[in-house]
Amino acid sequence: ETGVTQSPTHLIKTRGQQVTLRCSSQSGHNTVSWYQQALGQGPQFIFQYYREEENGRGNFPPRFSGLQFPNYSSELNVNALELDDSALYLCASSYERGLQETQYFGPGTRLLVL
Amino acid sequence: TQLLEQSPQFLSIQEGENLTVYCNSSSVFSSLQWYRQEPGEGPVLLVTVVTGGEVKKLKRLTFQFGDARKDSSLHITAAQPGDTGLYLCADLNTGTASKLTFGTGTRLQVTL
Repeated sequence: ETGVTQSPTHLIKTRGQQVTLRCSSQSGHNTVSWYQQALGQGPQFIFQYYREEENGRGNFPPRFSGLQFPNYSSELNVNALELDDSALYLCASSYERGLQETQYFGPGTRLLVL
Repeated sequence: TQLLEQSPQFLSIQEGENLTVYCNSSSVFSSLQWYRQEPGEGPVLLVTVVTGGEVKKLKRLTFQFGDARKDSSLHITAAQPGDTGLYLCADLNTGTASKLTFGTGTRLQVTL
């Protein structure tokens, strides 16, 4: 039990639609990151938010965007869905940053794009 | 772009056997972390190693970090069905953002 929750657990969308995924972090965790995990692969970093501002982005197009709120919740929005967006989307929160940092992952949202 | 390769990709063993999985990086690790991910769950941190040559033990799990900080191994002694899962190594790079770069993973199945 990491104290990080995500909703919904599963989602089916069609190509071209838009989707919003939600994450609730532990109280006091000012950093939240989002990862995409394709089937059979390790997670890939999408972006990170610190105190409600994006402070880093991986190799993902602008149609992937996010928000972080003062109540330790956050959102991942994906516009113009493509078939390749089908994956498990994980959020992870952390309290302290540094080489010994622990990121606590939620159980993920599994997105299927048809 | 850093590439982390893990081997083997799949491993199926019986309870009580020992096993070792490997992680190799195309560049020096900033901070190496090992995770275990069970079906329907997110990855859970097992250990963080920073110093080359470091060895850490967590019950039946032994983690070794190569002297050159480009490779690592995870050894499990007397595997149990509860060890079943996807084992992921990752590099934690703490630049502007604290970003995890994950390996390809080793999927372990331990049967009775």
